[in-house]
Amino acid sequence: QVQLQESGPGLVKPSETLSLTCAVSGYSISSGYYWGWIRQPPGKGLEWIASIYHSGRTYYNPSLKSRVTISVDTSKNQFSLELSSVTAADTAVYHCARPGGVKGAFDIWGQGTMVTVSS
Amino acid sequence: DIQMTQSPSSLSASVGDRVTITCRASQTINNYLNWYQQKPGKAPKLLIYAASSLQSGVPSRFSGSGSGTDFTLTISSLQPEDFAAYYCQQSYSSPFTFGPGTKVDIK
Repeated sequence: QVQLQESGPGLVKPSETLSLTCAVSGYSISSGYYWGWIRQPPGKGLEWIASIYHSGRTYYNPSLKSRVTISVDTSKNQFSLELSSVTAADTAVYHCARPGGVKGAFDIWGQGTMVTVSS
Repeated sequence: DIQMTQSPSSLSASVGDRVTITCRASQTINNYLNWYQQKPGKAPKLLIYAASSLQSGVPSRFSGSGSGTDFTLTISSLQPEDFAAYYCQQSYSSPFTFGPGTKVDIK
């Protein structure tokens, strides 16, 4: 079955760039589907960040667009997130997910990785 | 952006109770409405997609209804494993927004 696994540093300093990778197993990214990132600050709700198609077409949340880059590496079967100029407000659990369900439902999720922004 | 609201924000219920959670979109989203269950420390799990379609493997006590702007998630007979947070999400247009969540706990 399709599985997603996030990786990246758990601690990032303010003003630096947060970089995360999502490794996909059980499915070839180049075969299709969009792939995305969603975050959840501690004790709060879910916020969609960005999505990317295997061809490279991207969608960004306007609230984060100026600081976010999503990219895909089909050779490694993974996709990545970069969030620049981070502040404490970016502290959250970051999930990668696939909006592969009917009408774009996020049907497959990674377990999530906690990223803390602190000096 | 399409704003999603949910009510109630929390509820207390007993095993066997019928539970209903409401979700409203700030504009019509046809039936591009999804429901997720999230337990502490876990990733959200898709329960219902396209407003009323049950995701594979999800128990039939979960059901969804609605169209346009108003939607409902119903748990027909609450089970111990259903105590969790529930989120609605619109996939009609970017940015794809979630409701603030409804926490269901034990009475």
